[in-house]
Amino acid sequence: DAGVIQSPRHEVTEMGQEVTLRCKPISGHNSLFWYRQTMMRGLELLIYFNNNVPIDDSGMPEDRFSAKMPNASFSTLKIQPSEPRDSAVYFCASSTGSGDTQYFGPGTRLTVL
Amino acid sequence: SQKIEQNSEALNIQEGKTATLTCNYTNYSPAYLQWYRQDPGRGPVFLLLIRENEKEKRKERLKVTFDTTLKQSLFHITASQPADSATYLCALDISSGGSYIPTFGRGTSLIVHP
Repeated sequence: DAGVIQSPRHEVTEMGQEVTLRCKPISGHNSLFWYRQTMMRGLELLIYFNNNVPIDDSGMPEDRFSAKMPNASFSTLKIQPSEPRDSAVYFCASSTGSGDTQYFGPGTRLTVL
Repeated sequence: SQKIEQNSEALNIQEGKTATLTCNYTNYSPAYLQWYRQDPGRGPVFLLLIRENEKEKRKERLKVTFDTTLKQSLFHITASQPADSATYLCALDISSGGSYIPTFGRGTSLIVHP
């Protein structure tokens, strides 16, 4: 298996632009997680899905952030409009269940100028 | 407030020694606790999971203890090697509405000197 796939690996954009991050979980995994990692705040859970349904989005910082999972093999995290404080590494992870071992993707390094 | 604390200072040890990393938490009642390893530029990689009713878990050179009274987990790497140098994150799985919500500490950097 290729593991969790994320794209793009790096994204540089200007403030105010829309950013879309993509994730393909490991086939057969029912849970998908989006995290943000910064030096200041560490690894923060933004949202997680179980069987394509959002279960907990309390970590989503504000309405500028949205996430979707239209099917079991694809999820997106969108930021619109982006701001410099959104600069971070965004990780996607998947697991067979909400409490099971998580497998992380390589992350997307986002820089908002 | 709820907190997960890992030593923010890097742990420097000599090759061959045992490295011990600490994860303390407050105001949580985790169902279980996990340890992950993260290398620069990569996502965290799962190492070990220990449940609330377990005191100790081992895997090769790794050992994890879990003391729910002290609200502390210790992570040991015996016979450490320079290749063990990385950041180690602990994560608590908190039961919430029938699901388990993972919450990560900020990690401790381990540097093993040859």
